[in-house]
Amino acid sequence: QVQLQESGPGLVKPSGTLSLTCAVSGASISSSHWWTWLRQPPGKGLEWIGEIFHSGRSTYNPSLRSRLTIIVDKSKNQFSLTLSSVTATDTAVYYCARRDLRERSGGMDVWGQGTTVTVSS
Amino acid sequence: DIVMTQSPDSLTVSLGDRATINCKSSQSVLYTSNNKHYLAWYQQKPGQPPKLLIYWASTRESGVPDRFSGNGSGTDFTLTISSLQAEDVAVYYCHQYCTGPYTFGQGTKVEIK
Repeated sequence: QVQLQESGPGLVKPSGTLSLTCAVSGASISSSHWWTWLRQPPGKGLEWIGEIFHSGRSTYNPSLRSRLTIIVDKSKNQFSLTLSSVTATDTAVYYCARRDLRERSGGMDVWGQGTTVTVSS
Repeated sequence: DIVMTQSPDSLTVSLGDRATINCKSSQSVLYTSNNKHYLAWYQQKPGQPPKLLIYWASTRESGVPDRFSGNGSGTDFTLTISSLQAEDVAVYYCHQYCTGPYTFGQGTKVEIK
């Protein structure tokens, strides 16, 4: 079955750069899905960060756009997130997920287990 | 941004009873080209990622028990659990994917009485 696995540093210093990768197994990243990043601050709700299609077309949350880059690496069947100039408010569990095309459902039907990122000196 | 507001924030229900969660969007989430409401419901249990329950406001995801149902149109939606089971204890989120940035409700915590 399709599985997603996030990886990256669990601790990032303030003003530093947060980099995460989501490895996709059991499916091709070139399938007709959007590959999505979300986050959840401790004890809080979900925030959509952005997503990318295998073509490289991406869409970002405007609140993060100036600091955010999402790329896809088809050779490694993975996609990545980079968030610069982080502060304590970026501390969260970061999830990657697969979103179906809206014409088929638009639902995020496969999720990674999440990775905790703490921004602290 | 479309603001999603859920009510109540928490809900305590007896086993076997009905649980109803409301979700209101600040703008319509109807995609007029195909007359679909781009509204989903997710269930999140402690320490786990969210799980898709409902999409297009009322279509149950494959494998989701039929005690879960979604309804609504325009800006007002509901998730109903017809007969609450112990394994349904979780936080439930509504989510609009009609207009970017896609947004979530604040969540409704469902507990057993």
